[in-house]
Amino acid sequence: AQSVAQPEDQVNVAEGNPLTVKCTYSVSGNPYLFWYVQYPNRGLQFLLKYITGDNLVKGSYGFEAEFNKSQTSFHLKKPSALVSDSALYFCALGDSGAGSYQLTFGKGTKLSVIP
Amino acid sequence: GAGVSQSPSNKVTEKGKDVELRCDPISGHTALYWYRQSLGQGLEFLIYFQGNSAPDKSGLPSDRFSAERTGGSVSTLTIQRTQQEDSAVYLCASERQGGPGSYTFGSGTRLTVV
Repeated sequence: AQSVAQPEDQVNVAEGNPLTVKCTYSVSGNPYLFWYVQYPNRGLQFLLKYITGDNLVKGSYGFEAEFNKSQTSFHLKKPSALVSDSALYFCALGDSGAGSYQLTFGKGTKLSVIP
Repeated sequence: GAGVSQSPSNKVTEKGKDVELRCDPISGHTALYWYRQSLGQGLEFLIYFQGNSAPDKSGLPSDRFSAERTGGSVSTLTIQRTQQEDSAVYLCASERQGGPGSYTFGSGTRLTVV
């Protein structure tokens, strides 16, 4: 069975500092990996995805993520955090060998950017 | 429409009652998903529709849960004889055929069973 782990329930970072939100995964086939963000009282928004190709993926709002197959990780990063980045971030995993595109989501990491 | 629309946005129901949750996906999106988000938990997959294919119901937690998608567009998730553990935010997402995974989510329906 496939699984996703977000080891940190909460990450605090000062505005202007780099941020990292961690994600590790386990899947038998080739992974599809995603990051979604959820702002308070709103639905989830797609940030970026890794399907194949370049291990460094760039997404919306200046976020990027690096796929690391040997460490089975897909950490989300941003060089300079903004207060408006404060939200709940979800890592998600799909299995390229599965028959459907359902995703397995992590439990989420709450990011707080401190002014 | 421009986005995925879900209704109602909030629903409070008494234990044992049936509820229907509605999802109106983006026009032209052939795939539609239902997920459930419980407090402090990640999203739990419930059911997946793709075009005219048989739905993937593998995530439905019990036979009290069912869903249909009419005309390849609007979907209704029905929960019969609701229980308190059904309280959660129910999220609908759609995507173009051949995604994968670049969902557009609706804002969800917050279900509270009292």
